[in-house]
Amino acid sequence: AQSVTQLDSHVSVSEGTPVLLRCNYSSSYSPSLFWYVQHPNKGLQLLLKYTSAATLVKGINGFEAEFKKSETSFHLTKPSAHMSDAAEYFCVVSGGSARQLTFGSGTQLTVLP
Amino acid sequence: ETGVTQTPRHLVMGMTNKKSLKCEQHLGHNAMYWYKQSAKKPLELMFVYSLEERVENNSVPSRFSPECPNSSHLFLHLHTLQPEDSALYLCASSQAVGAKTGELFFGEGSRLTVL
Repeated sequence: AQSVTQLDSHVSVSEGTPVLLRCNYSSSYSPSLFWYVQHPNKGLQLLLKYTSAATLVKGINGFEAEFKKSETSFHLTKPSAHMSDAAEYFCVVSGGSARQLTFGSGTQLTVLP
Repeated sequence: ETGVTQTPRHLVMGMTNKKSLKCEQHLGHNAMYWYKQSAKKPLELMFVYSLEERVENNSVPSRFSPECPNSSHLFLHLHTLQPEDSALYLCASSQAVGAKTGELFFGEGSRLTVL
């Protein structure tokens, strides 16, 4: 069994300040973990993925995430927020195949000018 | 044209109508998926097709009927829907269902409103 919890449903930051979106997971297996982003009226786009290689994963648009097994966390960060980062972000855990993905409830990121 | 394309982008239908959602992928993938995205709820996997065979039906009511005529096309036929079926329906594809990386490529979705 697997599950994922996104700890904040909404996060607001000012443009140019750091972003932290929190995700905790549980899995009976050695998981793969993903962050997807969804802009308004768009589909989901992969930001980054962890698949048992380096624990610090870099993604697109300056985002990165660190896999911490001891804390069962996979938090998403960005040093400096941009207005275009405003979107909904989903943390996803995989039990080993594309059909076994479990999605979090999402975190809505608002970037204030 | 590249990626995953869904049509129509918006659909309004009455409870007695019959309509279909279409998805097409141009990525050469072998697996295709239907997801339902409702407000305030996590994405719900509905159906999975691998090489045109349905490999998963996630307890979806029979008023939703999928069809996969080939590995590039996926349909969701809708019949006698309920207002609670109003949602964004997302199509996705992946290289293979069993791919360890599990990465999905999503279309932009079809926004369905049932009156």
